[in-house]
Amino acid sequence: QVQLQESGPGLVKPSDTLSLSCAVSGYSISNSDWWGWVRQPPGKGLEWIGYIYYTGTAYYIPSLRSRVTMSVDTSKNQFSLKLSSVTAVDTAVYYCARMNKLEGIVDAFDIWGQGTMVTVSS
Amino acid sequence: DIQMTQSPSSLSASVGDRVTITCRASQSITSYLNWYQQKPGKAPKVLIYAASRLQSGVPSRFSGSGSGTDFTLTISSLQPEDFATYYCQQSYSTPWTFGQGTKVEIK
Repeated sequence: QVQLQESGPGLVKPSDTLSLSCAVSGYSISNSDWWGWVRQPPGKGLEWIGYIYYTGTAYYIPSLRSRVTMSVDTSKNQFSLKLSSVTAVDTAVYYCARMNKLEGIVDAFDIWGQGTMVTVSS
Repeated sequence: DIQMTQSPSSLSASVGDRVTITCRASQSITSYLNWYQQKPGKAPKVLIYAASRLQSGVPSRFSGSGSGTDFTLTISSLQPEDFATYYCQQSYSTPWTFGQGTKVEIK
C-alpha cells in the first residue's frame, strides 16, 4: 500500500532554512501525480503550503512563495520542502501528502504522512 | 484567496446523535469541496470529496451535501470513534484553503 514518511530536523534556528523530505513507498512518484505539503501550528488549523508535480512544476501559497522551494527526486522516490528565513511562526507539524483526482472528479489529499513536528527556536 | 468558514467551531454531542457541520465559501467553488477528519496526534483523513461522494472505506453514516458556496457534513448517528476535528477544504483554485475546523466533543 502507498505510504509517505516525512524526515528532517525537529529543531531549526531562527533565520535558518527548514528542510524536510517525504519518502514514498509502495508507489512510484512518477505516476503522474502531484505531491503536497500541509502544516499545522500547535493547537491550530491546517494550512496548505503547496504541491509539486513529478516533473517539477509547483504551486505555492502566496504568503510563503518568496521563502518556499519544493523539489522531486524520482531516483529516490521522494520529494522535499525547503522553507528559508524561518521564525517562530513557522513552528508546526508538517505533513506531506499525495494529491489525487478522486474518481476523476475532484483533487484531494488522499494519502498523508504521519507528520513531523518542527520547532523554530534558538 | 477563497475563504472557508465553518460553523460551529465546536460542539458537544452524545453517542447516537445526529450531527451537522456547515462550511461556507467566500465565492462559488461548485462542488470542489472535501471534508477531512483529524484525530489528536494523527494526520487528517479524507471522508467526503466532491461535496457528496464518500471516500472508500468511510462508514455510510457520514454524508455530505451542497454546491456553490454552502456545504454540509452530516453524521447520522455519532459513534465513539467519530469524536475528532473536521475540516472542509476547497480545491477549486490555488491556494487551497481549509476551514478553521469543527471539534466534535463528547457531551
